[in-house]
Amino acid sequence: GQNIDQPTEMTATEGAIVQINCTYQTSGFNGLFWYQQHAGEAPTFLSYNVLDGLEEKGRFSSFLSRSKGYSYLLLKELQMKDSASYLCAVRDSNYQLIWGAGTKLIIKP
Amino acid sequence: ETGVTQTPRHLVMGMTNKKSLKCEQHLGHNAMYWYKQSAKKPLELMFVYNFKEQTENNSVPSRFSPECPNSSHLFLHLHTLQPEDSALYLCASSQEVSGESYEQYFGPGTRLTVT
Repeated sequence: GQNIDQPTEMTATEGAIVQINCTYQTSGFNGLFWYQQHAGEAPTFLSYNVLDGLEEKGRFSSFLSRSKGYSYLLLKELQMKDSASYLCAVRDSNYQLIWGAGTKLIIKP
Repeated sequence: ETGVTQTPRHLVMGMTNKKSLKCEQHLGHNAMYWYKQSAKKPLELMFVYNFKEQTENNSVPSRFSPECPNSSHLFLHLHTLQPEDSALYLCASSQEVSGESYEQYFGPGTRLTVT
């Protein structure tokens, strides 16, 4: 079956760096997405990786290794507003999105 | 209005009621989606519409009935629901080109409680 694994919850300190991992086993691969979802709000698109390597976007970076079925989202200079759930999703060979259950990130002062 | 809107934001209904959820996208996209989001579970894709045609129906019970009258509007008709159907129902849209869809844009969701 198809599976996306990410930690259920993580805690980090304001101003620090946190890395949220995502491993996947899917039938085919056509890209990996990261979304941010604040409590009670819609998920919003953060990043997209289809080739191996690091994509940087301001304080957020996303890394992909297709051979290892692995990605991570790196958040730098954490702010309180970064407290949210972070969803990893992989597009399979049928271009269908397979979603992880999300990682709830708690930022402490 | 911009982006993707959903109404109502909250809905409480009994198991014998009939209600409808509405979604509207103002992005000019050609694909729309219904998802179910339950606590601590992955998003569950329910239905996909491309150019108003349903292309995915992921074994969803018949008590959920989608309708897509045009590429901007999507409805989810609900009847004789069960308590386990209580969840956040998210609508999303994306642009699909040559069978490949780009990132999805989500609405704020409808929080549904079935009593």
